[in-house]
Amino acid sequence: AQRVTQPEKLLSVFKGAPVELKCNYSYSGSPELFWYVQYSRQRLQLLLRHISRESIKGFTADLNKGETSFHLKKPFAQEEDSAMYYCALSSPQGAQKLVFGQGTRLTINP
Amino acid sequence: NAGVTQTPKFRVLKTGQSMTLLCAQDMNHEYMYWYRQDPGMGLRLIHYSVGEGTTAKGEVPDGYNVSRLKKQNFLLGLESAAPSQTSVYFCASSSLTSGSIYEQYFGPGTRLTVT
Repeated sequence: AQRVTQPEKLLSVFKGAPVELKCNYSYSGSPELFWYVQYSRQRLQLLLRHISRESIKGFTADLNKGETSFHLKKPFAQEEDSAMYYCALSSPQGAQKLVFGQGTRLTINP
Repeated sequence: NAGVTQTPKFRVLKTGQSMTLLCAQDMNHEYMYWYRQDPGMGLRLIHYSVGEGTTAKGEVPDGYNVSRLKKQNFLLGLESAAPSQTSVYFCASSSLTSGSIYEQYFGPGTRLTVT
């Protein structure tokens, strides 16, 4: 079965501190993995995807197939990073359906 | 471009009432989706569509029906609302084109309360 687990519902760090949001997945095969973010009063939007191997707003995420993880990291947190973060996976074939994790609410304290 | 729009933004229903949520997109996307968002459970797929005239069940389809008569619109219906359907509903769309593969574009959401 396809499953995404985000073990932390809430995460609070100080501005300038490193941030790591954990994501583990269960999937038989090689899924596509994503991080979506929802800022206050804004729509859910794509932050980054593993296939692009990009850094967006200072965030990176590395796919670790051995540990089935896709943790999101940022070396120096900023107050504007406060948001709800969702890890999601999709099958490489078919209708691009997303399976979401439970979400982690990140709060950056000044 | 308005992107993905949803109507209405808020709604309160009584148990047993029916309603239809409308999703519209102006990006000519082939795929459209309906999700519900509940605290502690993330977003769960209700139904989806891979093209005009086609729909399929997602993870939590019971109590909902959908239709995609036009490519740009995806309707979600509740025939007999139940309190368990109190949630925030999100519509999303995505394209087959390789340049934006797998990126789903979300609407602003509809907050539904069933009393």
